[in-house]
Amino acid sequence: GQQLNQSPQSMFIQEGEDVSMNCTSSSIFNTWLWYKQDPGEGPVLLIALYKAGELTSNGRLTAQFGITRKDSFLNISASIPSDVGIYFCACLRTYKYIFGTGTRLKVLA
Amino acid sequence: NAGVTQTPKFQVLKTGQSMTLQCAQDMNHNSMYWYRQDPGMGLRLIYYSASEGTTDKGEVPNGYNVSRLNKREFSLRLESAAPSQTSVYFCASSEAPGSYEQYFGPGTRLTVT
Repeated sequence: GQQLNQSPQSMFIQEGEDVSMNCTSSSIFNTWLWYKQDPGEGPVLLIALYKAGELTSNGRLTAQFGITRKDSFLNISASIPSDVGIYFCACLRTYKYIFGTGTRLKVLA
Repeated sequence: NAGVTQTPKFQVLKTGQSMTLQCAQDMNHNSMYWYRQDPGMGLRLIYYSASEGTTDKGEVPNGYNVSRLNKREFSLRLESAAPSQTSVYFCASSEAPGSYEQYFGPGTRLTVT
């Protein structure tokens, strides 16, 4: 089936550092989404992107929709301990969402 | 508002047993979804219901059945559980089919021995 590849798979960072992760696909998508999943919870939408080249911010989070429409990245600035969790990218095709395999983030205080 | 609720939170089944996972939403959403999450696999869509009265297969429907009981409730049934169905199951809802904002429930952790 269709896959979205996320990298890195996991990362440990120090509190206060900036974080960057990305998501790539072999197919073109017109909607890219970024979710965060806290331990033991369901995913929560962070940012939605609809236009190639679009850069969108939500507080310390910034995400970009790649110009080729086959990739997206998410940056977190000045990380804090509550940023820990799994970050998923997702794309929309017709009524179905396809999720990436996730980037697990651990923040060291 | 409770959002999306799921029951049970945990369940252990023996191979061959059956069970139904319940999901309800109080946001008056039209669309509901069932996903499974396995380590390293992200979330995979099992079934979805674009609107009340309709259901469609997702990426991994084999071994599952669903019922959209009414606008609020969407249940997932395992008729004969197998160890390969050990997973965390999430229900989600959205205002409309393909609406970018999906709201997820807290999940059901299912173990099949």
